[in-house]
Amino acid sequence: EIVMTQSPATLSVSPGERATLSCRASQSVSSNLAWYQQKPGQAPRLLIYGASTRATGIPARFSGSGSGTEFTLTISSLQSEDFAVYYCQQYNNWPPTFGPGTKVDIK
Amino acid sequence: QVQLVQSGAEVKKPGSSVKVSCKASGGTFSSYAISWVRQAPGQGLEWMGGIIPIFGTANYAQKFQGRVTITADESTSTAYMELSSLRSEDTAVYYCARAPYHCSGGSCYYYYFDYWGQGTLVTVSS
Repeated sequence: EIVMTQSPATLSVSPGERATLSCRASQSVSSNLAWYQQKPGQAPRLLIYGASTRATGIPARFSGSGSGTEFTLTISSLQSEDFAVYYCQQYNNWPPTFGPGTKVDIK
Repeated sequence: QVQLVQSGAEVKKPGSSVKVSCKASGGTFSSYAISWVRQAPGQGLEWMGGIIPIFGTANYAQKFQGRVTITADESTSTAYMELSSLRSEDTAVYYCARAPYHCSGGSCYYYYFDYWGQGTLVTVSS
């Protein structure tokens, strides 16, 4: 199965600053990559699919890029509600697999 | 709007089984796959398996083969996940999640998970 890794494990950012999260796949997943946001006590929420397409209702400050094995989620100007854990997930190969997550906390 | 509503929290003894339900509303139940994803306390997300209700055939992660059974009832738009031979390491929040899918060459593949249930905490303790 494809192993997903994410870096950094924790990212400390001040409100209004830019956050850049990385996700790497152990082999190519083309553009079949999704990003999720999870807040404490809540279910994950889909942010991005197809590596760069925002899901319905997701603000434009969230953007995704990359293909193959290297992917990036960028939050252009962090708002208070963006402090959360972010997971990437590949769906190019069976079974679908998730990365371990990046926690974005307040600096 | 699409909603997935799961059954309530469970406390189980080691060696027993648990069955969690996931009722869908606001969408076409049979047009999507339903997967089950679990999250142990303080840990990440782990895909367990899924089902395409219109076909009725489930697929499971190798780790859970033989211990998990996923079913779906189209008449009530409800999916179920039953996990047997429970051990303390199965203590987790269990989520159902909807996924678009495609089929090719006799196999079906799930895409991303666009809607999620609220989660069901299963505690395994003696």
